[in-house]
Amino acid sequence: DTAVSQTPKYLVTQMGNDKSIKCEQNLGHDTMYWYKQDSKKFLKIMFSYNNKELIINETVPNRFSPKSPDKAHLNLHINSLELGDSAVYFCASTVGPASGRQFFGPGTRLTVL
Amino acid sequence: SQQGEEDPQALSIQEGENATMNCSYKTSINNLQWYRQNSGRGLVHLILIRSNEREKHSGRLRVTLDTSKKSSSLLITASRAADTASYFCATAGRETSGSRLTFGEGTQLTVNP
Repeated sequence: DTAVSQTPKYLVTQMGNDKSIKCEQNLGHDTMYWYKQDSKKFLKIMFSYNNKELIINETVPNRFSPKSPDKAHLNLHINSLELGDSAVYFCASTVGPASGRQFFGPGTRLTVL
Repeated sequence: SQQGEEDPQALSIQEGENATMNCSYKTSINNLQWYRQNSGRGLVHLILIRSNEREKHSGRLRVTLDTSKKSSSLLITASRAADTASYFCATAGRETSGSRLTFGEGTQLTVNP
């Protein structure tokens, strides 16, 4: 009955590879987010979708491409992975695009070798 | 410096003591939220305080907000070992759509049994 789930939980890959992380929420929320948490635990927003429409796109390399096939899913595809992409990526969701509480997934720890 | 800075960065106390964490921010906000993150887990929402509120309680948690000083504090009373975690404040701006949370750098709380 996990509210916000992510797969995989761990991802270890070589530089230059392309990988995807998937997120699903069963809360009926309209808005979903991707955050990146670095090694110092600093959490920074990357993208946000509301009803499958991109509403927040922070200054993120265009190697990162989010995709929302429906409002319950938000995937993150990363091309040409670099060492600096190593981090924990969190998906989150909230009822609407306004600033209410967010529900976070368990995170995906990405390690680029 | 970052929007939403926590102070102290790390806090170590004994079980039963109170823990106080502070957060400062720079811009006008709609609300301020506190989240907890256990090691290796996602963030869990603790409490939200709106910009027109000054104090809010939830169980052993007490949050204050001083918009004139652009600061907030989180007090955990009668701490338990299970409270050991990182605590983050997050500010929500006044945008009507596409609102985002801006997270601080977190306070690592260790409660010793």
